[in-house]
Amino acid sequence: ELKVEQNPLFLSMQEGKNYTIYCNYSTTSDRLYWYRQDPGKSLESLFVLLSNGAVKQEGRLMASLDTKARLSTLHITAAVHDLSATYFCAVDMYSGGGADGLTFGKGTHLIIQP
Amino acid sequence: DAGVIQSPRHEVTEMGQEVTLRCKPISGHNSLFWYRQTMMRGLELLIYFNNNVPIDDSGMPEDRFSAKMPNASFSTLKIQPSEPRDSAVYFCAASARPPLNTIYFGEGSWLTVV
Repeated sequence: ELKVEQNPLFLSMQEGKNYTIYCNYSTTSDRLYWYRQDPGKSLESLFVLLSNGAVKQEGRLMASLDTKARLSTLHITAAVHDLSATYFCAVDMYSGGGADGLTFGKGTHLIIQP
Repeated sequence: DAGVIQSPRHEVTEMGQEVTLRCKPISGHNSLFWYRQTMMRGLELLIYFNNNVPIDDSGMPEDRFSAKMPNASFSTLKIQPSEPRDSAVYFCAASARPPLNTIYFGEGSWLTVV
């Protein structure tokens, strides 16, 4: 059974600081997703990482994937209040016939204080 | 593109009643997923379809749950009879064939069973 573990699960940080969210998964996969969810809202796709060593950046967020270590990171640079949300990583057990569905981590609830 | 469209957005029903949730995926996105989100269990994959065919329904919690996709533009998730523990947010999501791979979520159907 695929397990996806995120840490930390809760994070309170100050504006302007840097921090990293970690996502470990238990079986081989080269497809990893990061989503953002605001309270009462849907999931917004942030990044899709499709190969070992993949790095993607959007604004103050940067995601990377190490398939050998089964580890992805989401790095936040100079945090601002608007980034407060819950961040999920998810792993896709793609088998070549189309997406197989995502297994999600429990999410990291991020609060950024002024 | 209007994205993944779900209805109803909110439903409150009495225990024992039948509930039908509906989803219209993005045109041309051939994989469709139903997820359930609760505080206790997080995001769980219930079932997914490829090209309208159910591929894996192992996440469907009980026989009370059923899902259909009669054509490429419509899917339903039915709960009969509903129970209070079914209260959750139910998300429909869709993706196109690789290499695009972004999985888009609908706004969710918020179900409360009393």
